[in-house]
Amino acid sequence: AQSVTQLDSQVPVFEEAPVELRCNYSSSVSVYLFWYVQYPNQGLQLLLKYLSGSTLVESINGFEAEFNKSQTSFHLRKPSVHISDTAEYFCAVSVSTGFQKLVFGTGTRLLVSP
Amino acid sequence: DTGVSQDPRHKITKRGQNVTFRCDPISEHNRLYWYRQTLGQGPEFLTYFQNEAQLEKSRLLSDRFSAERPKGSFSTLEIQRTEQGDSAMYLCASRGGTGTGGSYEQFFGPGTRLTVL
Repeated sequence: AQSVTQLDSQVPVFEEAPVELRCNYSSSVSVYLFWYVQYPNQGLQLLLKYLSGSTLVESINGFEAEFNKSQTSFHLRKPSVHISDTAEYFCAVSVSTGFQKLVFGTGTRLLVSP
Repeated sequence: DTGVSQDPRHKITKRGQNVTFRCDPISEHNRLYWYRQTLGQGPEFLTYFQNEAQLEKSRLLSDRFSAERPKGSFSTLEIQRTEQGDSAMYLCASRGGTGTGGSYEQFFGPGTRLTVL
């Protein structure tokens, strides 16, 4: 079975500061990795994904995540955050075969203040 | 808007009542998932459909829960004899089959928030 650990339940940061949201996973088989973002009263939106190839993946709004197989991590980073980045961020894994259900972490609330 | 839609967005019911939620996936997506999200937790998988066939059910889905996707399009999730522990956000997601662009991404609806009094 797969599991995801997001150790930080809440990360406060000032606007324009860098941020890292941590994600570690556990799996005995090959997995795909995802970061989803959830704004208040909205559904989940895919931020970025790692399927294969380059271990560094980027989103269109400046986030990036790096897949580290040896450390079983997929941390999310942004060099300069905006107020509008305030949201809940979920890391998720799925196996690369079968029906590929998503297994989520407990989420990290990013709070960006002026 | 061709995204995933869910109805209703909010449902308040009394313990013991039955409730039914609907999910309309993206039209060309043949794979549909239901998840449940409780306060402070990430979504947890409930069940999976490929076309009209329900291929997987989580142990979280007790006998009081049933899901259908009668024509491989929209899906319904019914909870019978609701309990206070059923209070949660119920999320639906859809995905295209292999061979279609972006087939590994699940697209989520806005969810149905259930409150059982």
